[in-house]
Amino acid sequence: QKEVEQDPGPLSVPEGAIVSLNCTYSNSAFQYFMWYRQYSRKGPELLMYTYSSGNKEDGRFTAQVDKSSKYISLFIRDSQPSDSATYLCAMSGFGGSQGNLIFGKGTKLSVKP
Amino acid sequence: EPEVTQTPSHQVTQMGQEVILRCVPISNHLYFYWYRQILGQKVEFLVSFYNNEISEKSEIFDDQFSVERPDGSNFTLKIRSTKLEDSAMYFCASSEWTSGYTFGSGTRLTVV
Repeated sequence: QKEVEQDPGPLSVPEGAIVSLNCTYSNSAFQYFMWYRQYSRKGPELLMYTYSSGNKEDGRFTAQVDKSSKYISLFIRDSQPSDSATYLCAMSGFGGSQGNLIFGKGTKLSVKP
Repeated sequence: EPEVTQTPSHQVTQMGQEVILRCVPISNHLYFYWYRQILGQKVEFLVSFYNNEISEKSEIFDDQFSVERPDGSNFTLKIRSTKLEDSAMYFCASSEWTSGYTFGSGTRLTVV
């Protein structure tokens, strides 16, 4: 069983739509959960960083963590063409500075004008 | 906004040659990392570095790889004898104690 599973898409939505991106994981030791956005041939850019279960909101982005189900989500409200990118979930068992990140394969999102 | 800087952006090298990839982490960060991403694959952890020593490394990071912080600002990844399968994007990252990592834009390494 893979440690982190993420539907690679591609996912295509019209501008203004609500986007839901998800990852499942198998390792119950994971405590830190991140979402990164990656444009083609660029490095991952941190969007959201959460610890343990719960919700976190930042502008149009909401991250949810359900540790009991080993399931994390990223919601994008009022999606824009500039949101078109690959979204990577990542997680670790320790604080971001002490544990290596395990990444999902990424979901490619396209937001059409 | 502080950023992690990587050079070169693209490196082409012949199989068997040594390459050094360079990174300048964010100045007040204490933890440094190298990750790689083979085309179409996941981002994979290679090594983490703290207090001038390796704190963790993956199975990928074998004896052909080494890291160094030669001065107060640079952080390097050396591959001693490159193989075709080393072709990938290599990302440097840095972090403070509890924040998420900040990644650089990467070095695309092509081994021919």
